[in-house]
Amino acid sequence: DQQVKQNSPSLSVQEGRISILNCDYTNSMFDYFLWYKKYPAEGPTFLISISSIKDKNEDGRFTVFLNKSAKHLSLHIVPSQPGDSAVYFCAAGRNAGNMLTFGGGTRLMVKP
Amino acid sequence: GAVVSQHPSRVICKSGTSVKIECRSLDFQATTMFWYRQFPKQSLMLMATSNEGSKATYEQGVEKDKFLINHASLTLSTLTVTSAHPEDSSFYICSATTGFGGYTFGSGTRLTVV
Repeated sequence: DQQVKQNSPSLSVQEGRISILNCDYTNSMFDYFLWYKKYPAEGPTFLISISSIKDKNEDGRFTVFLNKSAKHLSLHIVPSQPGDSAVYFCAAGRNAGNMLTFGGGTRLMVKP
Repeated sequence: GAVVSQHPSRVICKSGTSVKIECRSLDFQATTMFWYRQFPKQSLMLMATSNEGSKATYEQGVEKDKFLINHASLTLSTLTVTSAHPEDSSFYICSATTGFGGYTFGSGTRLTVV
């Protein structure tokens, strides 16, 4: 049972435009959500997080939106840059500090 | 920021031998460490959770006798793949948390069993 899903395996965006990566979850007990960026053969790099008491968190070009009723979160990258090309994973957890459950990842390609 | 050092980054071993992967938190004490495994083009799958000074908790389907985890100190956790087989070839990643919501990942270890 996949508790965290990223339904788009890949996304291609033109440089300067907005990239929107989506993530759905099924476990209503999740109260902490994170986005990671990952390059091949490297560990994930933390991007941004959001707790369930918020519906938006912004950090520079990255904004995460959380819709608890829909059990859906999204990562917006504006403007997209070629260096943003990587695989993006969303992750969810219960009680910060416990295990994370990862989505399947979305490969983002930003074209110059 | 918090740094987790994972070694080795790449290892090739013969079938039947054992391989140890180390994960160290360099500038903080990690009360809990997690070990993940990633197959090509797939997500990170949690293998086990280890708390300093206690036995690791393994996820369903992960053989605890094959994947030995030791978390003897607040800064070091090790994963030993025993009697490795080609199907154990994968990318292994550790993650550490201070327990206050921060997660830091190691750089990963590419294991190839020949």
